[in-house]
Amino acid sequence: EVQLVESGGGLVQPGGSLRLSCAVSGFTISTYWMHWVRQAPGKGLVWVSRIDGDDGTTTSYADSVKGRFTISRDNAKNTLYLDMSSLRAEDTAVYYCARMRDSSTGLDYWGQGTLVTVSS
Amino acid sequence: SYELSQPPSVSVSPGQTASITCSGDKLGDKYVCWYQQKPGQSPVVVIYQDNKGPPGIPERFSGSNSGNTATLTISGTQATDEADYYCQAWDRSTDVVFGGGTKLTVL
Repeated sequence: EVQLVESGGGLVQPGGSLRLSCAVSGFTISTYWMHWVRQAPGKGLVWVSRIDGDDGTTTSYADSVKGRFTISRDNAKNTLYLDMSSLRAEDTAVYYCARMRDSSTGLDYWGQGTLVTVSS
Repeated sequence: SYELSQPPSVSVSPGQTASITCSGDKLGDKYVCWYQQKPGQSPVVVIYQDNKGPPGIPERFSGSNSGNTATLTISGTQATDEADYYCQAWDRSTDVVFGGGTKLTVL
């Protein structure tokens, strides 16, 4: 059974840092494109970042997080990460990890999400 | 950057057909996916590659994509279909892009 379980969310002050984790079971993350998608309270889905299913060196970021967020993975732990720094109030959202086979197939499995709140 | 536009809301009577549109420049040249999201839940893909339904998704969900518009059609809409629906495409410059979402009300 495929499962994606996010963790690491919480309350953080503006300018602070946080690391999100996505523990995966049921498939090998290095063979898929893995993504982070966020959703601010009451708002729509917004793509955040992607890491390709190769050697893990190919990554992509939304302009709004470029230079502040870093996506990575640990193949041995089959876990995806999102390191977030210089956090802003507008980064407040539920963060989902999701799997994509390729650009045509969509995000076919999602985690339950973890809430990040940036506030003083 | 690439953008997708959806109507904020669509209403439909039970048993009728609901159509939700998604517009983007030359969208027909890209593959479109559709997601259903119910309150407090994670999104679920209901259509991928424009018109394919994943296993377990009712056949009343169908999709099309041509020109600048993709359409999600729900035939014989049921009360359980009430949810937010998002279109999604992939663009080389923007990567994954979502539409703003459409709230489907069944009344």
